[in-house]
Amino acid sequence: AQTVTQSQPEMSVQEAETVTLSCTYDTSENNYYLFWYKQPPSRQMILVIRQEAYKQQNATENRFSVNFQKAAKSFSLKISDSQLGDTAMYFCASDLTGSARQLTFGSGTQLTVLP
Amino acid sequence: GAVVSQHPSRVICKSGTSVKIECRSLDFQATTMFWYRQFPKQSLMLMATSNEGSKATYEQGVEKDKFLINHASLTLSTLTVTSAHPEDSSFYICSARRWGPGQLGNSPLHFGNGTRLTVT
Repeated sequence: AQTVTQSQPEMSVQEAETVTLSCTYDTSENNYYLFWYKQPPSRQMILVIRQEAYKQQNATENRFSVNFQKAAKSFSLKISDSQLGDTAMYFCASDLTGSARQLTFGSGTQLTVLP
Repeated sequence: GAVVSQHPSRVICKSGTSVKIECRSLDFQATTMFWYRQFPKQSLMLMATSNEGSKATYEQGVEKDKFLINHASLTLSTLTVTSAHPEDSSFYICSARRWGPGQLGNSPLHFGNGTRLTVT
């Protein structure tokens, strides 16, 4: 079975600082896709960043970047220059079957950015 | 702007009644849509995969007669919670993938804004 694990239920960071959210997964597939979604209090799911497993280069999107370690099956999210609006639940998700169909979500990390 | 519209955003119903939730892809065709359920402070749990023109595929433990899914067109999937009970109270979210050219998984899932169902 494909699984996605987020071991940090809650984290906090001071405004303007950097924080890293952890995510590990388990799959026997070689090609798959990994995502980080953000869910603010509005409950809207917002895509933050995505990574194709066949790409060695880590994805970056403005203040958001990932550290993708395929051998270790690790996919952490780094948020630089944290802003108050970054406060949200963050979900690591993956299409581990490579079928580009459904996503498997981790349990989430509640991030609070402190002023 | 939003590419997946979900309606209603909130609904309160009495126990024993049925509630229909709509999920529309606004500017693309979605042969497949997904329905998730989310309890407070928990992750999204896939309930079923809605396939246009065919029967939905339900995840283990999800009652297909309880949660009726209809995907009659390429832009609309509906989830009907039949004979709702208080334990069905939850946040329901739909999603659809806008397929891009080239490789599978080229495009991420787009989510609706969700429906908060309260059964009294």
